[in-house]
Amino acid sequence: GAVVSQHPSRVICKSGTSVKIECRSLDFQATTMFWYRQFPKKSLMLMATSNEGSKATYEQGVEKDKFLINHASLTLSTLTVTSAHPEDSSFYICSAHDRFRYNSPLHFGNGTRLTVT
Amino acid sequence: AQKITQTQPGMFVQEKEAVTLDCTYDTSDPSYGLFWYKQPSSGEMIFLIYQGSYDQQNATEGRYSLNFQKARKSANLVISASQLGDSAMYFCAMREGSDNQGGKLIFGQGTELSVKP
Repeated sequence: GAVVSQHPSRVICKSGTSVKIECRSLDFQATTMFWYRQFPKKSLMLMATSNEGSKATYEQGVEKDKFLINHASLTLSTLTVTSAHPEDSSFYICSAHDRFRYNSPLHFGNGTRLTVT
Repeated sequence: AQKITQTQPGMFVQEKEAVTLDCTYDTSDPSYGLFWYKQPSSGEMIFLIYQGSYDQQNATEGRYSLNFQKARKSANLVISASQLGDSAMYFCAMREGSDNQGGKLIFGQGTELSVKP
């Protein structure tokens, strides 16, 4: 089945530093990837849509200068949390869709638990 | 306005019994897809079942079936013969028409299912 690899699975960083999270589709190509954020026992909130070869589309209320997204190839998207603060601590999860399979579900990475101290 | 609504924050079911998790949705687009995902405590999102808006029959996948009532805009998940391993968060999600070939998913609030031995 389609596999999405997300790395790292856990990261602890100090306030003011930046953290990069990678999302790779291992056995399919994805022109679009999606980044979600999830608080404990809450729903997944879409942050942005990552588009291969062009700028990401951010959802309302998401700071694009804080959450930098780069979609460098058909199999890789990165999310960089810049100048992280404790309120950025959360579970971040990426997803991708196989561009050649109509109506296939989104495949999710295993998520990254970010803790900012 | 909430597009996907799950009104049951938590549900309990006895092992080996069936359980229904509710989901209602709101869209004016005639073409859409409905998905159910399972999220265990480890955090990964596991795709369970898909229903397209034009599908004539209710979707089934093993012990999972989707009770799709289009006029009522509901897409309830039925899990038959519950197992202890079914204990998890369950999310209903929708993909709207123009994005049907790989668009973003909007998630409901989730239902935490606990299976009792």
